[in-house]
Amino acid sequence: SQTIHQWPATLVQPVGSPLSLECTVEGTSNPNLYWYRQAAGRGLQLLFYSVGIGQISSEVPQNLSASRPQDRQFILSSKKLLLSDSGFYLCAWSRSSGVAQYFGAGTRLSVL
Amino acid sequence: DAKTTQPTSMDCAEGRAANLPCNHSTISGNEYVYWYRQIHSQGPQYIIHGLKNNETNEMASLIITEDRKSSTLILPHATLRDTAVYYCIVGSMEYGNKLVFGAGTILRVKS
Repeated sequence: SQTIHQWPATLVQPVGSPLSLECTVEGTSNPNLYWYRQAAGRGLQLLFYSVGIGQISSEVPQNLSASRPQDRQFILSSKKLLLSDSGFYLCAWSRSSGVAQYFGAGTRLSVL
Repeated sequence: DAKTTQPTSMDCAEGRAANLPCNHSTISGNEYVYWYRQIHSQGPQYIIHGLKNNETNEMASLIITEDRKSSTLILPHATLRDTAVYYCIVGSMEYGNKLVFGAGTILRVKS
């Protein structure tokens, strides 16, 4: 069966510090991978998606970047965090020809 | 922007059927209707999807109108654990299979 791992679960970071969130998927190959953000009391916003190694599409201009160094690894990064980067970050995967997306447990980021 | 319209909130009695409506009047011919739900502080969970025909799985049933401009998600016997935000999403399976989440419907199941 397939599983998605996302860590850490909670993170508190000062403004201006770097960020690295990691997501890995097990039990499948060549998945589509996604990063979403959910601000407090708001809906989910798609940040990045990837259909293959090294292929990253950005949905909104922002202070974040994403990388996919391996087939089942997706990393969300920032060089300098802003207060507005606070939120609930979710990684998801889908089969390359599939319909459903399956989400990780999320990382709750507080930038202070 | 989300292409769907859903009620902000709904209440349902435990054990009764929960019927969650969704309007998607601008849906294109190649776009599916997806339903996800998000229980507080968790990641969204896929429920069901459909294109034209009604669909049923172990979680729910999806009824799509003949003109495809609206649909209804049915939870046949709602339990307290079904309390969540339910998202109706339309999208195609084109490159990246991207989903655009709206505000969803807050479903409260009450005993």
